[in-house]
Amino acid sequence: DVKVTQSSRYLVKRTGEKVFLECVQDMDHENMFWYRQDPGLGLRLIYFSYDVKMKEKGDIPEGYSVSREKKERFSLILESASTNQTSMYLCASSPRGSGTNEKLFFGSGTQLSVL
Amino acid sequence: GEDVEQSLFLSVREGDSSVINCTYTDSSSTYLYWYKQEPGAGLQLLTYIFSNMDMKQDQRLTVLLNKKDKHLSLRIADTQTGDSAIYFCAVPPYNTDKLIFGTGTRLQVFP
Repeated sequence: DVKVTQSSRYLVKRTGEKVFLECVQDMDHENMFWYRQDPGLGLRLIYFSYDVKMKEKGDIPEGYSVSREKKERFSLILESASTNQTSMYLCASSPRGSGTNEKLFFGSGTQLSVL
Repeated sequence: GEDVEQSLFLSVREGDSSVINCTYTDSSSTYLYWYKQEPGAGLQLLTYIFSNMDMKQDQRLTVLLNKKDKHLSLRIADTQTGDSAIYFCAVPPYNTDKLIFGTGTRLQVFP
């Protein structure tokens, strides 16, 4: 089975701190995604990557950046954390190629609180 | 862009059927998905339907697709307390590998 691992389950940071959220997948998937989940808003796509060193902006990239130096690892960076970035962050991966390439495999999520 | 909508809450009695509805705007989607999120966990793929089908059944789950009305539904037969979760429908915009998720429907099952 695909395993997508997010390094922290809970994280508490202060306003202005630089925050790194790490995600690793073990199934050699080309595609990786970062979403944030907020009550009543569902999942919103922050950034995604189709290959190493490639990145694409999602629907809400402001205040975030990403890094994909290795195929299995996709990092989300909050350059200067703000309270409105308090949220559940979900990482996902998927294979590229066949018709169901949109099928996503998710990590357990990181609940980030910015104080 | 793609817009996917769901109602936020559904409450059913144990043993009854649950029907969770979803509407979307992009008619060119190939597959449409249902994901389940249990408390404190990430999302898991529950089932999916190809856009040239109008129904798919998988044990207690039935997915209905009405392409004309851009309406997708998930029916859970004999709903159990273990089915309590948030259910998301998800649709890929044309010619992308992305998924656009609905707001999620929180299903609560009471005895």
